[in-house]
This record gives sequence, C-alpha cells and structure tokens, in this order.
Amino acid sequence: KAGVTQTPRYLIKTRGQQVTLSCSPISGHRSVSWYQQTPGQGLQFLFEYFSETQRNKGNFPGRFSGRQFSNSRSEMNVSTLELGDSALYLCASSVLQGSYEQYFGPGTRLTVT
Amino acid sequence: GENVGLHLPTLSVQEGDNSIINCAYSNSASDYFIWYKQESGKGPQFIIDIRSNMDKRQGQRVTVLLNKTVKHLSLQIAATQPGDSAVYFCAENTGTASKLTFGTGTRLQVTL
Repeated sequence: KAGVTQTPRYLIKTRGQQVTLSCSPISGHRSVSWYQQTPGQGLQFLFEYFSETQRNKGNFPGRFSGRQFSNSRSEMNVSTLELGDSALYLCASSVLQGSYEQYFGPGTRLTVT
Repeated sequence: GENVGLHLPTLSVQEGDNSIINCAYSNSASDYFIWYKQESGKGPQFIIDIRSNMDKRQGQRVTVLLNKTVKHLSLQIAATQPGDSAVYFCAENTGTASKLTFGTGTRLQVTL
C-alpha cells in the first residue's frame, strides 16, 4: 500500500505570495492532519480534515487554511507569505477522525525569501 | 537533511549499546503518548505508543516507560544500530486524538 504523498517536495516563494500544498493520504484513510515543523517551534499542529470538513484547528493565523476533497486528498494554503512561514509542512493521514495512529508523509519544504 | 538547523540535544551511543531517550511532557491530562523517529528527508515514523493506564510497553528492540507522577516518558532502544540514527520525538495527546503535541526532539547518533 502506498504511503502518504506530498507535492511538491520543495518550493521557494517570495514574501507576499500565496502557496498551495497537496497531500494524498494512504488509500482508505479519511482523516488528514497538517503540521508545521520549524527549528524554533518544532512540530506544531495546524488542522485536521475529515469528510471534507475541518474538525480541529491549531493556533495559527487565518492566513493558513485548508480543504479536503471527496477522495480524501487535502490541500493547505498559505496566503500573504511571511519569512517566518519557511518550514517543513507535514501531512499525516489516519483511518478515522481522532485516530491516534497517524502516518506522516515526507513533507514539503517551503522557503520564503 | 530536513533537520538541519535544529538545535537539538544529542545522544551519542556506540553500536550495540542500549540507548535511552527521555522526554518530559507538559499536560497531566494527556492519556496517550507516542514516540516517532524522523530520518533526514523523511516525515516522522511511528515507533511505539503507550496509554496512560500503562507504565511500560515493549516492542521489537524498543521499550517505552511512562512515569505519570513526574510526567516523564522514555524510549529505550536495545542493541542500537547505525540505522537507528535519527531524531526522536515524543508526542502527547492533549485533547483530541488527532491534535498531537510534540516534544522538541533528541538526535541519536550511533558511532561504530
């Protein structure tokens, strides 16, 4: 069974731009969670989607948003990029909402210049 | 690698020795804990988990110990191998199961 896939793997953007990252969960998994990983803050929860609805949200500004499609694939969007948004963005999938066992993708490395 | 720039505590062990990685968690109400391993260029990989009603759980070459009195978690790796070199994170569930709170991580370096 294929693992969680994320595209693109690397991305360079300029301050003020917006970016969309994509995540395809493991087949049969319906919940997708997003995390941000930075050297200063470590791994932080962004949000979780299940059945095309955001179920939980971390402590991030409204510039960070996401959505989930009927096939469980998810996208996250960051608008008006700031230098501090440079990070590794990780997607994790699980079978159900609120499932403890989450499987992570390799991440998208976003660099904002 | 993806962890370049992270100023993490580092544990160096010789191949074949046992490793003990420690973690202090923050919320006494947490009821589920997980250890993840993150290799360079990869996302975190699930290693082992434990629920708050247990104090020890064993897997293949790994053991997790939970001390709720002092809010401490440890991961023991037996007969450490070069392939164990990675950053290890503990995570706790602090409300909803999907919203994991991660520790800062420990870099394990295995020397030959």
